[in-house]
Amino acid sequence: GQQVMQIPQYQHVQEGEDFTTYCNSSTTLSNIQWYKQRPGGHPVFLIQLVKSGEVKKQKRLTFQFGEAKKNSSLHITATQTTDVGTYFCAGHPGTYKYIFGTGTRLKVLA
Amino acid sequence: DAGVTQSPTHLIKTRGQHVTLRCSPISGHKSVSWYQQVLGQGPQFIFQYYEKEERGRGNFPDRFSARQFPNYSSELNVNALLLGDSALYLCASSSGDRQPQHFGDGTRLSIL
Repeated sequence: GQQVMQIPQYQHVQEGEDFTTYCNSSTTLSNIQWYKQRPGGHPVFLIQLVKSGEVKKQKRLTFQFGEAKKNSSLHITATQTTDVGTYFCAGHPGTYKYIFGTGTRLKVLA
Repeated sequence: DAGVTQSPTHLIKTRGQHVTLRCSPISGHKSVSWYQQVLGQGPQFIFQYYEKEERGRGNFPDRFSARQFPNYSSELNVNALLLGDSALYLCASSSGDRQPQHFGDGTRLSIL
């Protein structure tokens, strides 16, 4: 079946260090969304990427969609303690559903 | 404006019982999706409804069913509960397919 994997599963960084999570789909995606979920909370929408090779920035966050539309990445520059949480990608394979990735749990040490 | 609201917030049931979970979408959103999130994993897609019609169904048994009402609110029903159904059930609304999803706080279901 269709799968979306994320690496790494966990990442501990010192405050101020950079962080990257990678998302890989077994099938081509029509678009991909990124969400952040704080401990005990619900997923919160961050961004949507649609075009092959698309790059979008939100302050310290940079999102990329691969040329083949099967992979994506989220890069955070100079992490802060407020960045703590689990980051999920969610791929849309062209049918009426989103397939969420396995998530990357980020811990930031002050 | 109110966000996505789900009720109840917590529920404890025993094996074999049934449960109904409710979701009210953001005003103006016609699409509602249901997800199951087991601790430590990503949300797993269960259903998507748009304009009261089922548009998508995930890999869940027939014990799971849902419906959407004329006011676009939705119910998720689960029959013959199993221990493995213990999870956080999330509802997300959006303005349409392939649009940003807005999640509610979820219903935490525990099966004893």
